[in-house]
Amino acid sequence: GAGVSQTPSNKVTEKGKYVELRCDPISGHTALYWYRQSLGQGPEFLIYFQGTGAADDSGLPNDRFFAVRPEGSVSTLKIQRTERGDSAVYLCASSSMGLGLSDEQFFGPGTRLTVL
Amino acid sequence: AQSVTQLGSHVSVSEGALVLLRCNYSSSVPPYLFWYVQYPNQGLQLLLKYTTGATLVKGINGFEAEFKKSETSFHLTKPSAHMSDAAEYFCAVMIANTGNQFYFGTGTSLTVIP
Repeated sequence: GAGVSQTPSNKVTEKGKYVELRCDPISGHTALYWYRQSLGQGPEFLIYFQGTGAADDSGLPNDRFFAVRPEGSVSTLKIQRTERGDSAVYLCASSSMGLGLSDEQFFGPGTRLTVL
Repeated sequence: AQSVTQLGSHVSVSEGALVLLRCNYSSSVPPYLFWYVQYPNQGLQLLLKYTTGATLVKGINGFEAEFKKSETSFHLTKPSAHMSDAAEYFCAVMIANTGNQFYFGTGTSLTVIP
């Protein structure tokens, strides 16, 4: 497809479980971002990849959150020991450069995570 | 530190009336400014952006916004609202050389009354 895709679209899990959220960026985009959008709030930055490396992970709330992008394309956001407060929509975005320029970020539809 | 304030979490306008959604930002360096729209169960879609140059920028669907440095504002306007404009609107700031992550406002939900 031409856009950013995210799977699953919905994920329901129990408190304490481990979850993985996947993002497929637009082909060729080197920059990839993860955001979290809680109910009634704007998206909040989590982590930014330039290629395979995490260029900025300052937005990750704690060490239960981790993200990888091993081949510089698909990224996985991993959450350990989920808590009810982790319930949110997790958004992924990609852009073509992300090198200090004003490149547009293209957003995926998000994964709605519900922790029971 | 960067921040974005969107005044009015809910705005209602009549069809055909002016749309005005307010955004103020706080930044220690010149920012790049964006407006995104989010329709139900869809991803964020870029409406318009300001980087450099002309301070009045035009976007898709008849929207435009004006960057006013003295007021630290980037308000979004549309002369005549259409029913299809009903959605959630987010203002965002990006500071170059800080990883290009966006700082979003809390959003404004626009309702268009027929």
